[in-house]
Amino acid sequence: AAGVIQSPRHLIKEKRETATLKCYPIPRHDTVYWYQQGPGQDPQFLISFYEKMQSDKGSIPDRFSAQQFSDYHSELNMSSLELGDSALYFCASSSNYNEQFFGPGTRLTVL
Amino acid sequence: AQTVTQSQPEMSVQEAETVTLSCTYDTSESNYYLFWYKQPPSRQMILVIRQEAYKQQNATENRFSVNFQKAAKSFSLKISDSQLGDTAMYFCAFMKHTTVGGATNKLIFGTGTLLAVQP
Repeated sequence: AAGVIQSPRHLIKEKRETATLKCYPIPRHDTVYWYQQGPGQDPQFLISFYEKMQSDKGSIPDRFSAQQFSDYHSELNMSSLELGDSALYFCASSSNYNEQFFGPGTRLTVL
Repeated sequence: AQTVTQSQPEMSVQEAETVTLSCTYDTSESNYYLFWYKQPPSRQMILVIRQEAYKQQNATENRFSVNFQKAAKSFSLKISDSQLGDTAMYFCAFMKHTTVGGATNKLIFGTGTLLAVQP
């Protein structure tokens, strides 16, 4: 069965640079969630989209923005990167209200 | 606001034995889901088991079962016949159940329990 695809899997950036993370949900899933997991931390909700509209927002910095496109893939744009942005970023998709399927994550390292 | 608490940062169990991981939560919601996710060294988030709050029967998935005590707001995970491949971080998670159009339901995670299965 198709799973959630995230790209890139690994990303290394310098401070103050910009990064774009992409998420391709499972086919026919209309909802996408983004989570950030810092080293030794639990995943923290950033933002979610339903049918290409932003639905909920968590502790996402103003330097970050995201959107969901007509083909339901989503992109998380991160600008003015800081050392503290180094984390594992998960995308999860859902087609109903009760189960989320996680992608493999993108490991972002900011130097 | 909902909170999830896992009071056991680390646990260890011998292969083939049984271990129970604890989780408590706090919510004023009446309709919600509870999950246990496994995160092995690969860092992939793998759903282990799911419980709907309105169901009294405890969920079971092969060697994994839960003890759901709604009044006590407790949701423990029992792993039977532990295997080396069960070594991972285990996260308990809460999700409000909303079916209002356009709403999405974020997961709220506990801080995790690192389980080591010893040979």
